[in-house]
Amino acid sequence: GAGVSQSPSNKVTEKGKDVELRCDPISGHTALYWYRQSLGQGLEFLIYFQGNSAPDKSGLPSDRFSAERTGGSVSTLTIQRTQQEDSAVYLCASSLIPDYNEQFFGPGTRLTVL
Amino acid sequence: DQQVKQNSPSLSVQEGRISILNCDYTNSMFDYFLWYKKYPAEGPTFLISISSIKDKNEDGRFTVFLNKSAKHLSLHIVPSQPGDSAVYFCAATDSGGGADGLTFGKGTHLIIQP
Repeated sequence: GAGVSQSPSNKVTEKGKDVELRCDPISGHTALYWYRQSLGQGLEFLIYFQGNSAPDKSGLPSDRFSAERTGGSVSTLTIQRTQQEDSAVYLCASSLIPDYNEQFFGPGTRLTVL
Repeated sequence: DQQVKQNSPSLSVQEGRISILNCDYTNSMFDYFLWYKKYPAEGPTFLISISSIKDKNEDGRFTVFLNKSAKHLSLHIVPSQPGDSAVYFCAATDSGGGADGLTFGKGTHLIIQP
């Protein structure tokens, strides 16, 4: 079956604009994760969904960031009033259950804030 | 404060030889460790994992060793092949389930020389 997909693959925006990033997890996967990778850094965990709920949003970098998941499937990560430091690759992963054994990653969205 | 450290940004190994990638961690709560491999413009793919109750796990050409007392793990690839050229990320988590995500190192770029 299809893997995790993310859209858009690339997004260039101007500072101050809002952006919305989308993740389609593998069908049937209940757990969904958002990470970001800034230049020269490792992956930074942002938020986790079990079903439609996110038990802990403290990993989000600021209150400009929000995420939601509807129908236990698609998730969107929204960044309001983007700043240059938001430039990064945003990666989504899903797993069948919230199990650390294996998370399947999408190809990521490369966000560039000018 | 980096909880997972990969101190070698890059490593060059001759084809057919052994590649050894190292990873250190500081959080004593971590009890499950994973290695991911990443090609350019793709998401990370799971490679191999190890639980803290073991000190070695082997899968084909890949072996992960865990030294809990030293808080150190390593990934051995033997023999190294050209297709192994990629960025390798070490990741760790505790047994709290998915809510904390995975903590990643910054990665090591492995280059296999012909």
